[in-house]
Amino acid sequence: DAMVIQNPRYQVTQFGKPVTLSCSQTLNHNVMYWYQQKSSQAPKLLFHYYDKDFNNEADTPDNFQSRRPNTSFCFLDIRSPGLGDAAMYLCATSRDPSGSSYNEQFFGPGTRLTVL
Amino acid sequence: GQNIDQPTEMTATEGAIVQINCTYQTSGFNGLFWYQQHAGEAPTFLSYNVLDGLEEKGRFSSFLSRSKGYSYLLLKELQMKDSASYLCAVSDSNYQLIWGAGTKLIIKP
Repeated sequence: DAMVIQNPRYQVTQFGKPVTLSCSQTLNHNVMYWYQQKSSQAPKLLFHYYDKDFNNEADTPDNFQSRRPNTSFCFLDIRSPGLGDAAMYLCATSRDPSGSSYNEQFFGPGTRLTVL
Repeated sequence: GQNIDQPTEMTATEGAIVQINCTYQTSGFNGLFWYQQHAGEAPTFLSYNVLDGLEEKGRFSSFLSRSKGYSYLLLKELQMKDSASYLCAVSDSNYQLIWGAGTKLIIKP
């Protein structure tokens, strides 16, 4: 089945220790998104890729970086995690927003990050 | 600024009907989505409205009024498994999703 896969599902890291979260998709979608979601809050878009074009949200901290080496994979790097970065990180994909008003986003299961 | 408003929490009884409202103010409009999110899981797509009116899909229906900046999600014949958060999201002029904080729906027997 075509899907969005995130690894690991649960990640524990220490304060200040770099961590990488991964996302892969078999949907062959052009767009990939990374969201941060804290309890009872809306998902917060960190950045997205349209093919290889990287789009950073204005309020995404420099501590967060992303890489998309190919269509299928996308990585979220947190260079120096702080306690405030503990959250669920959601990866999502969509086909192609341009010229289309129907742009459903398909989500992976998420990675829950704990910072000790 | 862009804003999505929905109630924080609602409670309903198994077998009943519940309506979850969403109002929005966004820069541009390219459709409104409803997603369901169970605790600790990712959002899953429920419905999409871009034209005014009612879209029905089984036990779930979604309504849109663009002139009022208003939508609702209607859930019929509630089941215990419907206990979840329901997120309203609007696709803005850049086709980016602006998300509401979600409505936590509690179903009681």
